[in-house]
Amino acid sequence: AQKITQTQPGMFVQEKEAVTLDCTYDTSDPSYGLFWYKQPSSGEMIFLIYQGSYDQQNATEGRYSLNFQKARKSANLVISASQLGDSAMYFCAMRELNYGGSQGNLIFGKGTKLSVKP
Amino acid sequence: DARVTQTPRHKVTEMGQEVTMRCQPILGHNTVFWYRQTMMQGLELLAYFRNRAPLDDSGMPKDRFSAEMPDATLATLKIQPSEPRDSAVYFCASGLTTGSSSYEQYFGPGTRLTVT
Repeated sequence: AQKITQTQPGMFVQEKEAVTLDCTYDTSDPSYGLFWYKQPSSGEMIFLIYQGSYDQQNATEGRYSLNFQKARKSANLVISASQLGDSAMYFCAMRELNYGGSQGNLIFGKGTKLSVKP
Repeated sequence: DARVTQTPRHKVTEMGQEVTMRCQPILGHNTVFWYRQTMMQGLELLAYFRNRAPLDDSGMPKDRFSAEMPDATLATLKIQPSEPRDSAVYFCASGLTTGSSSYEQYFGPGTRLTVT
């Protein structure tokens, strides 16, 4: 079973509008972290935002916010006021901290390709 | 501006040749990861080290891949012999882990490997 599911292979958004990229996860570990990375066409992986499983508030970083719904096991990324430079692949990832034997490594989803239209 | 560096950025080689990829983690980070990205499989963990000790290399084909950290400033990933199916982008990432707490990983620019 997939641990990280991103159901939107591709999305379009109009410049200056907000967009939500979906991510659901599966874990029995009570302690975990959720991450979003951006990969532009140049190929580098850019860390965007982090949410810990015990964090009470949703994480925010500038125009990025993470809509964390623990009971639903979802960690959607919201980008407000989209810009042309936001066009990229976006990856959701999870790190389990206690179980699974691979403490520390990230498990990635398949990604969502976001295209911002002028 | 601390960054993870990787060399080479691009490598084209013939099947059967040895390939060595190098990574310099961010100074002070104690955890280093090697990932492989392909269109079909996405991002996969190959191996990772904490305090230079290998903790998990279950994602790596043992017969041809090897990963080492000769010192805290250098991590290497070697493929011998290389095969066309190894063509991918190989990312190194580093992070800081203290106790049971781990923080964000910072990725290098990747090495794009093409095996013909």
